[in-house]
Amino acid sequence: EDKVVQSPLSLVVHEGDTVTLNCSYEVTNFRSLLWYKQEKKAPTFLFMLTSSGIEKKSGRLSSILDKKELFSILNITATQTGDSAIYLCAVEETSGTYKYIFGTGTRLKVLA
Amino acid sequence: NAGVTQTPKFQVLKTGQSMTLQCAQDMNHNSMYWYRQDPGMGLRLIYYSASEGTTDKGEVPNGYNVSRLNKREFSLRLESAAPSQTSVYFCASTQGVEPQHFGDGTRLSIL
Repeated sequence: EDKVVQSPLSLVVHEGDTVTLNCSYEVTNFRSLLWYKQEKKAPTFLFMLTSSGIEKKSGRLSSILDKKELFSILNITATQTGDSAIYLCAVEETSGTYKYIFGTGTRLKVLA
Repeated sequence: NAGVTQTPKFQVLKTGQSMTLQCAQDMNHNSMYWYRQDPGMGLRLIYYSASEGTTDKGEVPNGYNVSRLNKREFSLRLESAAPSQTSVYFCASTQGVEPQHFGDGTRLSIL
């Protein structure tokens, strides 16, 4: 059965800390891996990763994919209170229908 | 830029009542999805529609039905609501290599 596992489930840090969120997957027909940030409402898109070893960056956030070891990490440097959210990892699979399998998410709380 | 619009935003039902959650997207996407989100469970796929005229079951379809009315609209129906269906429901759409775009969710409570 296809699955996506995120760790840790929750994390509390102080402003300025660096955090690493993990996502491992077992998906038969892998197409891409996506990271989303969810605050109060809809998940908002952060990164889409399709190739191993190529880091994607956006400001203080970065992510990388390892297709051999089947995992991805999301790094956040110099955390701010506005980074407090649930971070969701999803794997898009394709067997002709492009379904997404989500992990349970990591709840990050950044204290001032 | 409306994106994905869900109605209603909140709803309280009694056990056994029926209701339909509405979702519409204005991005001309082929694929649309319904998820439920429960504490500690992430997003679980209920049903999806890869293209207009097709629908398929996801991970947790029991107790739900869907209709892909046209390319823009994808509705989710609860025929006989149960307390276990209390959740936040999200609709999403995508096409090609784009990431999924989500609506703001419907918070549903069943008493």
